[in-house]
Amino acid sequence: EPEVTQTPSHQVTQMGQEVILRCVPISNHLYFYWYRQILGQKVEFLVSFYNNEISEKSEIFDDQFSVERPDGSNFTLKIRSTKLEDSAMYFCASSGDPYGREQFFGPGTRLTVL
Amino acid sequence: QQQVKQSPQSLIVQKGGISIINCAYENTAFDYFPWYQQFPGKGPALLIAIRPDVSEKKEGRFTISFNKSAKQFSLHIMDSQPGDSATYFCAALGNQFYFGTGTSLTVIP
Repeated sequence: EPEVTQTPSHQVTQMGQEVILRCVPISNHLYFYWYRQILGQKVEFLVSFYNNEISEKSEIFDDQFSVERPDGSNFTLKIRSTKLEDSAMYFCASSGDPYGREQFFGPGTRLTVL
Repeated sequence: QQQVKQSPQSLIVQKGGISIINCAYENTAFDYFPWYQQFPGKGPALLIAIRPDVSEKKEGRFTISFNKSAKQFSLHIMDSQPGDSATYFCAALGNQFYFGTGTSLTVIP
């Protein structure tokens, strides 16, 4: 069964450093998403991406965040200058549905900012 | 403003019992209501979903009941099993997914 994969599973970084979280969506999906889940809290939408453009973004997705599809398979989330409050699980999701239904989530990357 | 409110926060059910988790939403423009199941250390997995033109959807032991006028929907897990122990999130889709705060379900053998 096709699945979304994410690397690394755990990233530890110092405050102020840049991190890049990587995702490989399901191969025939065209709609991609990043979500954040602070420990013990709800999943929060960050950004949606289609056709090499951001479709929607939340107020969380400020100028320190960026997304990119650098090649035909990877989808990345970059945090330019990490803050302590960026510590969370980051989930990538993909969908074949233009309306964003049936999103399939990856296993997540746990980001720890020290 | 919390777009989707979920209750209870935690739930303990005996094996074989019925687990019921409730959600309420604000925005009548939402048009897709999924439930996700999440095990520790894993990503959310789509369990079952409903559109607002349907009042109930059943898949195996899982049923969504949807009340459009009350802007509420609920997940019923029949014959709950220890393997169902997980966190369940409801969500609503507008221009983005809005998730509820999650319910930690524990099914006791």
